[in-house]
Parts: sequence; structure tokens; C-alpha cells
Amino acid sequence: DAKTTQPPSMDCAEGRAANLPCNHSTISGNEYVYWYRQIHSQGPQYIIHGLKNNETNEMASLIITEDRKSSTLILPHATLRDTAVYYCIVNLSGYALNFGKGTSLLVTP
Amino acid sequence: DADVTQTPRNRITKTGKRIMLECSQTKGHDRMYWYRQDPGLGLRLIYYSFDVKDINKGEISDGYSVSRQAQAKFSLSLESAIPNQTALYFCATSDPDRRGRGEQFFGPGTRLTVL
Repeated sequence: DAKTTQPPSMDCAEGRAANLPCNHSTISGNEYVYWYRQIHSQGPQYIIHGLKNNETNEMASLIITEDRKSSTLILPHATLRDTAVYYCIVNLSGYALNFGKGTSLLVTP
Repeated sequence: DADVTQTPRNRITKTGKRIMLECSQTKGHDRMYWYRQDPGLGLRLIYYSFDVKDINKGEISDGYSVSRQAQAKFSLSLESAIPNQTALYFCATSDPDRRGRGEQFFGPGTRLTVL
């Protein structure tokens, strides 16, 4: 599996956009970029995924660079409930996930 | 009702005891996984199963065994528990599709303490 690099922690003010970066320079052509988050010791929750194109859903947007070597997860209007650890994972569809340590996002009032 | 359930939610046991953690899912997925999480770390894969007849070792399978009793049930056993198996254990399910979503759905976790 391709490995990812994420900053260990980030802060964001409530109501602002949170932009979480991820580097995955060894990604292969058929691997997807997935984002999950884990709130306090709960089971991780799927957020979004993409292959080449930018994606948006009700939770977030995913921006993937043209060379696919990095991506950014955007939470457009962060709330206190978005405080969590965010994992960027590169993988084939439907296979086991390699979580890494993720980015701990703290949203402050 | 939750789609993925785990029992027990919390367990304290002693070194050398045999422990079984159970996972059930109602999503109809073929693929199931067991992960372990230690404080401050991400989840690590213990075992996974792509269908009832398929069992595969993950990154950290030593000291663990699994049983896939049915499509909906996947159990994790610690034959002789040791203190460094104290961790949070998660079960997950998935079903790949052509659009690549293949997202995994996680249970609430089992907190295991081995004294």
C-alpha cells in the first residue's frame, strides 16, 4: 500500500474552513484516496474518497492534485463536533485500510 | 439498531485467560475486518475475511485467531491473553463496488484490559 504523510495536529476556529493536507507521492494508478475520521475512541467514520477528480459531499470536499501525489480535505465550516483525528488513506477499493497516525484537528470556539 | 455490533464493549481479564470478542453485522457485506488501536496510534489490522471461506492474516496476527461463523459473524480470539494485548478493538465490514467507494463501516469498539 502507498504510504501517506499528514501533519500530526492542526487547529481551526469554529466557522472557518479546515484544510487538512496529505502527501501520498507513491500512490499507484488504481489506488483511491480515502478520508476517515475518528471522534474520541469511537469507530472511524468514512468521510469521502476520490481517484482523480475533486469530490464533494455533504460532509466535505476533497481536492486531489493533478499528479495525484497529494490531496486536501476541506471542511468548509468547521464546528466543535468536527474535533477528531482525520486519517488520509491510500488503498484499493474494498481492501483493508492502513490508518497511520492521522491529523488531530482541534476546532476552537 | 446499529449495523455493526461488538460484544462485549468492555472486558477486563487476567493474563493467560482465553478471550473471545464477537462482531455481528446486518449490512450484508462479505468482507469483515478486525483492527486493534493502541493509545495515540492509528488502527492496525489483525485479520480480515473476504467471505466465509476466506481468512487472511493482517499486520499483527500473532497471538490472535479468528473464526468466520457466517457471513454476518466474525469472532476474534486471544488464546492466552497477555498485558500488551490491552487495547481498543474494532470490527469493520465493507463491500467493494465499481465506483471505488468500498467504505468500511466500523463497530463501536471493545475495550480490553489484560491484567
